[in-house]
Amino acid sequence: KAGVTQTPRYLIKTRGQQVTLSCSPISGHRSVSWYQQTPGQGLQFLFEYFSETQRNKGNFPGRFSGRQFSNSRSEMNVSTLELGDSALYLCASSLTTGELFFGEGSRLTVL
Amino acid sequence: AQSVTQLDSQVPVFEEAPVELRCNYSSSVSVYLFWYVQYPNQGLQLLLKYLSGSTLVKGINGFEAEFNKSQTSFHLRKPSVHISDTAEYFCAVSDNRDDKIIFGKGTRLHILP
Repeated sequence: KAGVTQTPRYLIKTRGQQVTLSCSPISGHRSVSWYQQTPGQGLQFLFEYFSETQRNKGNFPGRFSGRQFSNSRSEMNVSTLELGDSALYLCASSLTTGELFFGEGSRLTVL
Repeated sequence: AQSVTQLDSQVPVFEEAPVELRCNYSSSVSVYLFWYVQYPNQGLQLLLKYLSGSTLVKGINGFEAEFNKSQTSFHLRKPSVHISDTAEYFCAVSDNRDDKIIFGKGTRLHILP
């Protein structure tokens, strides 16, 4: 059974640009969550989607947005990138409460 | 709102010695508790979870954790660590109102030879 796939794995952007990250969940999983991981702040919850609807949202500015498609694949977008957006962005899918299956992440560097 | 505190950012321990990684949580309602592990350059994977029932939970790789409601703790333990246990360990909490899972800042486990 294929795991959670995130693309791209690595990317470099400059301040002011925008970026889109993609996540393909495990087949059959309808919930997809996104987290930002940085050395100083640890794992911070961005948002969670279930059946194309945003079900939960963390405390991030409106520059961070996401969506989920009918096949459960999800994308997140960050507009007007700032240096502080440099991080590992992790996507996780789940079928049951709490058992998140994580991808290997997309490492974003903003110069 | 729920929150998680992992008191130790790093824990060094000798190989084959026991280890305990501490986790305290706060929540106004019933909670679900989890421990995840992140090996270098990888995503996180679930070690164990407490949803209800027995307060002693056994997980993969010989780890176990005990839910203590009065102390609002969910400490992770292993009786004898191996070099392959070198990783970062995250405690997480979710309340029973939604599926949002909040993580602690993590504890790096260093195994000394």
